[in-house]
Amino acid sequence: KAGVTQTPRYLIKTRGQQVTLSCSPISGHRSVSWYQQTPGQGLQFLFEYFSETQRNKGNFPGRFSGRQFSNSRSEMNVSTLELGDSALYLCASSSFGPYNEQFFGPGTRLTVL
Amino acid sequence: TQLLEQSPQFLSIQEGENLTVYCNSSSVFSSLQWYRQEPGEGPVLLVTVVTGGEVKKLKRLTFQFGDARKDSSLHITAAQTGDTGLYLCAGDYQAGTALIFGKGTTLSVSS
Repeated sequence: KAGVTQTPRYLIKTRGQQVTLSCSPISGHRSVSWYQQTPGQGLQFLFEYFSETQRNKGNFPGRFSGRQFSNSRSEMNVSTLELGDSALYLCASSSFGPYNEQFFGPGTRLTVL
Repeated sequence: TQLLEQSPQFLSIQEGENLTVYCNSSSVFSSLQWYRQEPGEGPVLLVTVVTGGEVKKLKRLTFQFGDARKDSSLHITAAQTGDTGLYLCAGDYQAGTALIFGKGTTLSVSS
């Protein structure tokens, strides 16, 4: 099976702009989660989508939003970018198993100037 | 708020040495997972432990789940340079909720 893919891999934006990141899960996986990873805060949960519905949400401002399509692909959007949004954004998919095991993509490295 | 504390934060050792990293919480996990992340890549799942007192082995890596299911450890025997990376533990506290990740232990193994 192909793994989780994320596009783009690298992105440079300026403050105030918005950005959309894309994630394609492993075939058959219906749950997609997004995480922000920074050296200071580690891996922080943004949100999870399952069958096109947001199932869980982390403690991030409303500038961070996401959606999931009927083919389980997911997008994440960040509006009005701030310098502190510079991070590695990771997408993970999981199957409907009992332990919520995450299969991560390689991430999108976002730099906000 | 559930927190997962990992220690040590950084570890730098020579090839052939043994090491142990720890993951602790004040809350009880329904399950706990360990991941390894290499630079430029996403974390990769190593193991899931579910039962208190459980021990799982993955080649030179030994994972232990505490009897009370509040803590876990990862022991690496005879470390190799290929073991270098960020080791993350993640706790599943309740079915249907998001995993909580620790901040990780950065391991550097030099030859």
